[in-house]
Amino acid sequence: DTEVTQTPKHLVMGMTNKKSLKCEQHMGHRAMYWYKQKAKKPPELMFVYSYEKLSINESVPSRFSPECPNSSLLNLHLHALQPEDSALYLCASSNQEGLAAFEQYFGPGTRLTVT
Amino acid sequence: GNSVTQMEGPVTLSEEAFLTINCTYTATGYPSLFWYVQYPGEGLQLLLKATKADDKGSNKGFEATYRKETTSFHLEKGSVQVSDSAVYFCACSSNTGKLIFGQGTTLQVKP
Repeated sequence: DTEVTQTPKHLVMGMTNKKSLKCEQHMGHRAMYWYKQKAKKPPELMFVYSYEKLSINESVPSRFSPECPNSSLLNLHLHALQPEDSALYLCASSNQEGLAAFEQYFGPGTRLTVT
Repeated sequence: GNSVTQMEGPVTLSEEAFLTINCTYTATGYPSLFWYVQYPGEGLQLLLKATKADDKGSNKGFEATYRKETTSFHLEKGSVQVSDSAVYFCACSSNTGKLIFGQGTTLQVKP
C-alpha cells in the first residue's frame, strides 16, 4: 500500500468555524508533512513530524494547529482562518533516514475555501 | 540556501513531440535532485531522481541527467502523450531536510 489518504476532499468554512483535516498512511513511514499549495505555485512546507514529534514549524500562524496521534495519522486543526488561507492542503509522508526523506508520497489534498 | 529555477510555462506540444523542461539549481555541496509531477486534481508524485553527478534518472519514458558542471537537471521525453499533461516540479534536497521546489512548469499536450 503506497497510498496517502486525506479527508475531506473539499471543505468550505467560515472565519469563525473550527474544522480539522485528516491524513493517513500505512507505509510505515515515520516522517509526515503538511504543505499548503496555492494555484499554479509549488507546495510550501508548513509542518514536519518525525517519529510523532513536531520537528519543523515553518513559522505558521497559530490558527493552524497540527497533531500526530500515532505514526499513521496526521491532523491539521483549523480555527479562525482568513480568506487568504484558502488553498490546497497536501499531506505527505516519507521514510526518515537519509535520501529517503526527500522521496515523499503525497496525498490528493484537501481543497479549502474560507468564506 | 539551495534554490531551483525552472523554465516558465505553459509548454504546449502536440502529441508525439519531443519534450524538454529546463531546470537549474544553486546549492552548497552535492544535493540530490528530483522531478515531481502533479496531474490535475491530484497530489504530487515522484517521477524520477538522481543522487550524484552524471546519474540519469528515468521513469515512464522521462529522463533527466544530473549535470554538475552546468548545475542542471533537465527533464526530457522523446514522445509525449496527452496523458502527460500536468505540472512538473524540479526539486533538490537541502541540509535542512526540506525539499526545495522550483516554481513548476505546466505542460499541455494536444492531440
